[in-house]
Parts: sequence; structure tokens; C-alpha cells
Amino acid sequence: QVQLQESGPGLVKPSETLSLTCTVSGGSINRNYWSWIRQPPGKGLEWIGYIYNSGNTNYNPSLKSRVTISVDTSKSHFSLELTSVTAADTAVYYCARQYTSTWYGSWFDPWGQGTLVAVSS
Amino acid sequence: DIQMTQSPSSLSASVGDRVTITCRASQSINSYLNWYQQKPGKAPKLLIYAASSLQSGVPSRFSGSGSGTDFTLTISSLQPEDFASYYCQQSYSSPHTFGQGTQLEIK
Repeated sequence: QVQLQESGPGLVKPSETLSLTCTVSGGSINRNYWSWIRQPPGKGLEWIGYIYNSGNTNYNPSLKSRVTISVDTSKSHFSLELTSVTAADTAVYYCARQYTSTWYGSWFDPWGQGTLVAVSS
Repeated sequence: DIQMTQSPSSLSASVGDRVTITCRASQSINSYLNWYQQKPGKAPKLLIYAASSLQSGVPSRFSGSGSGTDFTLTISSLQPEDFASYYCQQSYSSPHTFGQGTQLEIK
């Protein structure tokens, strides 16, 4: 079955760019929606955005000016860049497949294990 | 954005209890509502999609119901492994939004 694994630095300095990669195994990265979701420590979940078929993206308006999601199908991974980070961006970042159905909406399954990114000098 | 409000925020219950968690949307979302379980230090796990469809492999003691703005997640007989946090999530419109979570604790 499809498995996802996040990777990237665990510490980013304020005002710099957070960069994470999610590697997909056990299934095709093509013709699927792939999302990033984050969770600040002790808090709830926030959807960041998705990418579909290499080019189509949709971002949460609250982060849209700072977010870029891209995909490299040859490496079977997709990536997140978040610019100008502050302490408020400290969170566990998850990647997930966003399964989409015409009749039933969409949901996140499976998820990666998550990676904690702290923003601190 | 559609606001999702869960109640209660926390709940204490015993093994064998029947438990219900409620999720209310700020506008109608038809049946585009999903439920997740999250244990400490782990990623969320999909339990229910489209308000009432049980994800493959999820025990049948979990069930979901509702449509429009009001939804419920019911656990018919709590098991020790069910003590966790639960989140609802709407997919009716972008951005997809989650409830604030319900923490289910052992009494």
C-alpha cells in the first residue's frame, strides 16, 4: 500500500525558508492529489495545500503568499516550501494523499509520520 | 472559510462506554465530513469518510452520521486503544478545515 515519508531540516531560522520533501512509495505519484498539513505543538490541524498532476495547486489563503508545493515524478516525491517563517510556523508537518471522489468529497489517507520543524534563531 | 466546531473538547469515559462526539459546520457541507483519530506522537488516522462510510480496517464499533451542518461520531463500546484525540474535517469547500479536536480520556 501507499506509504509516505517526510524529510527535511528540523530547525529553521526566522525569516528563512522551510523546505520539506515527502517521498511516496508503494504506489504511483501520478493522478493523485498530494497535500501538506501541519499541527503546532498541542494544537489542531491546518491544511496547507495540495498539488495534482505536476501542475495544479491549491493553497490555503492564510498561507498562499508564502507557500509553494511542487512535485518531482521521476523521484516520486513532492515538496513544500514556506518562506519568511516565524515562530508561529513551528509545527509538525505531515504529508498525505488527498483521496478525491466526485460523489463523496475528499479525505486524507494515508499520512506520513510527520516531522517537527522548529523556527528559532 | 467554513468553521468546524467540535463538542465536547474533552471527554472522560470508561472502557465499555458508548461515546458520542459532535461536529458542527458553520454552513451546510452536505455529507462532505470526515473523522480522524490521533494518538500521541502519531499521525492522524482516517476512521470515517463522507459522514458515515467506515474506512477499510476500522473496527465496526466506530460509526458516523449526519448531514448538512450537524454530525456525530459514535464509539459503541470503548476499548482501551480508543483513548485518543478525534478530529472532524470538511471537504465541501477549500480551504479544507478541521475541528479543534476532542480528547477522549480514561475515567
